[in-house]
Amino acid sequence: DVKVTQSSRYLVKRTGEKVFLECVQDMDHENMFWYRQDPGLGLRLIYFSYDVKMKEKGDIPEGYSVSREKKERFSLILESASTNQTSMYLCASSPPGAKNIQYFGAGTRLSVL
Amino acid sequence: AQSVTQLGSHVSVSEGALVLLRCNYSSSVPPYLFWYVQYPNQGLQLLLKYTTGATLVKGINGFEAEFKKSETSFHLTKPSAHMSDAAEYFCAVSDRYKLSFGAGTTVTVRA
Repeated sequence: DVKVTQSSRYLVKRTGEKVFLECVQDMDHENMFWYRQDPGLGLRLIYFSYDVKMKEKGDIPEGYSVSREKKERFSLILESASTNQTSMYLCASSPPGAKNIQYFGAGTRLSVL
Repeated sequence: AQSVTQLGSHVSVSEGALVLLRCNYSSSVPPYLFWYVQYPNQGLQLLLKYTTGATLVKGINGFEAEFKKSETSFHLTKPSAHMSDAAEYFCAVSDRYKLSFGAGTTVTVRA
């Protein structure tokens, strides 16, 4: 079974803090993704990566950055957390190709106070 | 750009009744379509997908969906709802790299 592991289920941070959300997958997938999930808005893509050290902006990249130094790990960084970044963050991975299933982690619920 | 619209943010059904969740898509190329389910406090898991071939697709837990190109629809159905079907359901369309998700439909099942 594919496993996508997000390092924290719940996080509480202060406004202005630098926040790291970590994601690791164990299936040697090329593609990795970060989404945020908000009620009534579904999942919105923040960034994705199709190879090590490669990254592409998704639909809502503002206020976020990412890092992919190793194939199995994809980090989401909030340089200076703000209250409007309070959300559920979901990581996913997939093999290459549009037909392929994305596998999701359990999510990190981030609260910025 | 590709997108999906899910009609109805909440659906309430009685146990044993038909579940019908509606999804319409917009795509400039032949679409790859997916339904995902999210149980409380969990990530998303795949219910079923349509890529090519047979337009009626069967998935896990008794769900199925039919791709109708003429109607640009990919509605999800289950003939008989079970209490364990209470969850949020997302329709998604794929382009070369990424998925675009609908806003989601929350299903509640009444005993």
